[in-house]
Amino acid sequence: EFQLVESGGALVQPGGSLRLSCTVSGFAVGDFFMAWVRQAPGKGLEWVSVLFTGGITYYSDSVKGRFTISRDSSKNTLHLQMNSLRVDDTGVYYCARDASTQGLPLDFWGQGTLVTVSS
Amino acid sequence: AIQMTQSPSSLSASVGDRVIISCRASQGIRNDLAWYQQRPGKAPKLLIYAASHLQSGVPSRFSGGGSGTDFTLTISSLQPEDFATYYCFQDNNYPQTFGQGTKVEVK
Repeated sequence: EFQLVESGGALVQPGGSLRLSCTVSGFAVGDFFMAWVRQAPGKGLEWVSVLFTGGITYYSDSVKGRFTISRDSSKNTLHLQMNSLRVDDTGVYYCARDASTQGLPLDFWGQGTLVTVSS
Repeated sequence: AIQMTQSPSSLSASVGDRVIISCRASQGIRNDLAWYQQRPGKAPKLLIYAASHLQSGVPSRFSGGGSGTDFTLTISSLQPEDFATYYCFQDNNYPQTFGQGTKVEVK
């Protein structure tokens, strides 16, 4: 059974930094594309970033230049480094497996971790 | 980025009703379209991928159709557990994008 568990969410001031982690069991993070999706309170889903198996990354325009996605294969963990945080970055952050190369989109998700950016 | 527009934004329905949700892409995306269900406080759940393929374990009352720019999600007979918010999602190219969501509420 696959399991994705996010951690690292917290209350942080505008301009601050935070690193989120997603610990995976049941498959190797290095064998699949891995993504982050977020959801502001009471709002819809927003795709944030993806990390390809070969290391290529993509970001939404709203986080490009501020967020960095990475993985630690030795710990089977995905990370999202978030810098220069803004109030509108507040929300629940989900990690998800992107199985696009197998014809499937985001097929397994974690339960999310809450990031609150506020002074 | 490709814009995904869902309609309606919300709808009221009763158990047993047939429900249809539409999704339009701002440019052609072949059949690279998925549908997700999200219940309050829970992570999204994949229902349909490649526009019309039912994800393993998803009840057959859910079906998807369309290609190019226009897509639909149909629930043939609404069940109590189906009251939730539904999102379309394009995985044709990056950045991938979601529709704004359709909330299915009890009439």
